Amino acid sequence: LAKTTQPVSMDSYEGQEVNITCSHNNIATNDYITWYQQFPSQGPRFIIQGYKTKVTNEVASLFIPADRKSSTLSLPRVSLSDTAVYYCLVGVGRDDKIIFGKGTRLHILP
Amino acid sequence: SAVISQKPSRDICQRGTSLTIQCQVDSQVTMMFWYRQQPGQSLTLIATANQGSEATYESGFVIDKFPISRPNLTFSTLTVSNMSPEDSSIYLCSVEPGGRKTDTQYFGPGTRLTVL
Repeated sequence: LAKTTQPVSMDSYEGQEVNITCSHNNIATNDYITWYQQFPSQGPRFIIQGYKTKVTNEVASLFIPADRKSSTLSLPRVSLSDTAVYYCLVGVGRDDKIIFGKGTRLHILP
Repeated sequence: SAVISQKPSRDICQRGTSLTIQCQVDSQVTMMFWYRQQPGQSLTLIATANQGSEATYESGFVIDKFPISRPNLTFSTLTVSNMSPEDSSIYLCSVEPGGRKTDTQYFGPGTRLTVL
């Protein structure tokens, strides 16, 4: 199971673009990269998933370089409501489990 | 997608007692999971609830402490037995509707448990 490394915390301001990078040097060929968002007192919520290059949806973009050893979640024009913990997950375990890392605590300032 | 509800949303319990948490999904799903999240921490997988068979527990979690039922494809329960203050945590269930391991998981709102 590929281990992921993300910044522990980040601060940004409303209206800015926020990029959170996740390192996953041991990613396997069949692994997908998935990001979740968790607000206080709620369960995690799926944001975006990708395998390679770029994926975009109504919430975020996910950039994955050719070597797939890292990925960057991009949140355009953040607002105060984007304050949350963001988890990067890579692949599944041998028994097909999804394992959460420590996540990045994003704090948006007015 | 899937909509998941949990009961109770929170509870305060006495040491030595047990609490059963219910997880209800609005559609039939193959994969259901139970997680624990201690304050300020990430999620830790407790077990995978399999319909028609025993749950599969992760290292550090045992059936006697966290018995799980999965009577059908839309419902599961997790019991926290013989509770101690160390069991104070948020317990979340999740489902993977697609059944494939690269599919996304959908989480319930969680049950906040405080043990005195």
